[in-house]
Amino acid sequence: EPEVTQTPSHQVTQMGQEVILRCVPISNHLYFYWYRQILGQKVEFLVSFYNNEISEKSEIFDDQFSVERPDGSNFTLKIRSTKLEDSAMYFCASSEVSTGFGYTFGSGTRLTVV
Amino acid sequence: KQEVTQIPAALSVPEGENLVLNCSFTDSAIYNLQWFRQDPGKGLTSLLLIQSSQREQTSGRLNASLDKSSGRSTLYIAASQPGDSATYLCAVRAGQNFVFGPGTRLSVLP
Repeated sequence: EPEVTQTPSHQVTQMGQEVILRCVPISNHLYFYWYRQILGQKVEFLVSFYNNEISEKSEIFDDQFSVERPDGSNFTLKIRSTKLEDSAMYFCASSEVSTGFGYTFGSGTRLTVV
Repeated sequence: KQEVTQIPAALSVPEGENLVLNCSFTDSAIYNLQWFRQDPGKGLTSLLLIQSSQREQTSGRLNASLDKSSGRSTLYIAASQPGDSATYLCAVRAGQNFVFGPGTRLSVLP
């Protein structure tokens, strides 16, 4: 069964450093998403991406976040200057269409900011 | 704004019991609803997906129902096992993204 792959599984970074979280969506999917889950809290939507541009974003997704599809297979989330409160599990997801079947989540990257 | 709640927040049952987890959402205009399982510190495992036109879905010992008009879904787990211990998340999709509930933390005692 096709999977969404996220790397690394765990990343530790110092406060103020830039981090890039990487995701390989399912190959025929056209819509890509990032979510985050702070420890003990709900999973929250960050951003959706289609046709090489952001299609929707939440209020969490401020100027320190950016997303990119640098090539035909990867989808990245960059956090420019990490803060302690950015520590969370970050989930990537992809879907074939905007409303139908096939919305698949990756296994997540745990980001720890120290 | 869509909001999703789940009751109970935590549940502890002896092995073998049948149990029901509840999910409520405020806006009935949804595309689908999905139940996930999350083990501590791990990712999201999709259990069941119910499209807005469907009333229920079944997979093994799991059965999920959807009453869109009342904004409710239930996840029924039959003959619970210790391996079912995890957090169960309900999520609804109305636009491009899912809105998640806070989860029900289930402990099945041997």
